[in-house]
Amino acid sequence: GESVGLHLPTLSVQEGDNSIINCAYSNSASDYFIWYKQESGKGPQFIIDIRSNMDKRQGQRVTVLLNKTVKHLSLQIAATQPGDSAVYFCAENPHDAGNMLTFGGGTRLMVKP
Amino acid sequence: IAGITQAPTSQILAAGRRMTLRCTQDMRHNAMYWYRQDLGLGLRLIHYSNTAGTTGKGEVPDGYSVSRANTDDFPLTLASAVPSQTSVYFCASSGAPPNTGELFFGEGSRLTVL
Repeated sequence: GESVGLHLPTLSVQEGDNSIINCAYSNSASDYFIWYKQESGKGPQFIIDIRSNMDKRQGQRVTVLLNKTVKHLSLQIAATQPGDSAVYFCAENPHDAGNMLTFGGGTRLMVKP
Repeated sequence: IAGITQAPTSQILAAGRRMTLRCTQDMRHNAMYWYRQDLGLGLRLIHYSNTAGTTGKGEVPDGYSVSRANTDDFPLTLASAVPSQTSVYFCASSGAPPNTGELFFGEGSRLTVL
C-alpha cells in the first residue's frame, strides 16, 4: 500500500547548526506535501507545505525540498534553536482526498546547547 | 484566539464503558477530523467531516462514531471502550480549499482504557 515514512527517527544537532530531516513517500498522486512540528504534550503545528509541481519552497528559517524522481521530501532548518526541539512529521495530501492526510512516523529533533 | 478546544485532556476509562471526546472549533472551518496517535505509528485518521451534516470513515474507524450537527462541534464516541483504544486523540479542522494540507490541531485528549 501507499505510505509515507522517515529515514531517521532521532536527529541530534548543535544549536546554531543547520538541521535536515528526511522523508520518503510512495504515493506519486499527492497534490501537496506538508511538514508538521509537534512539541511535547501539544498538538501538531503546520510548518510549511509544498505543491507537487514545485521542487523547493522557503519559509522563515525553513526550506522544504521535493524530489519527485526518488520520492523524497526534506525539511531544512537554518540556525537551529532550542525551541526547534520537537518531533517533526511529514504528511502527504493525496489528490482529491480533501485534507485527509497520510502522516509519516515522525523524527525527533534534539538541539544541544 | 481559542482555535480547537478538546475535552477532556486526560481520562482513564474502564473497558466496556462509553466515552465521548469533545471537540469545538471557533474558526468556522467546514472540515473537521479525528486522528489517533500511537507510538511508532504516527497519526491515523479515524473519521472526518467535510461539512456540517456529513461524516466519513478514515483509516481506522472501527469502534468509533462521530456526528456533526453543526459547524463548530465534532464529538467522537467510543461506544464500548477496549484497551487497544488507549491512545492520544487529536481533533483538527481545515478551512476552505485549496486543500494544501494545513490542518489546525487541538492539544489532544489522552485516553487510557483499562
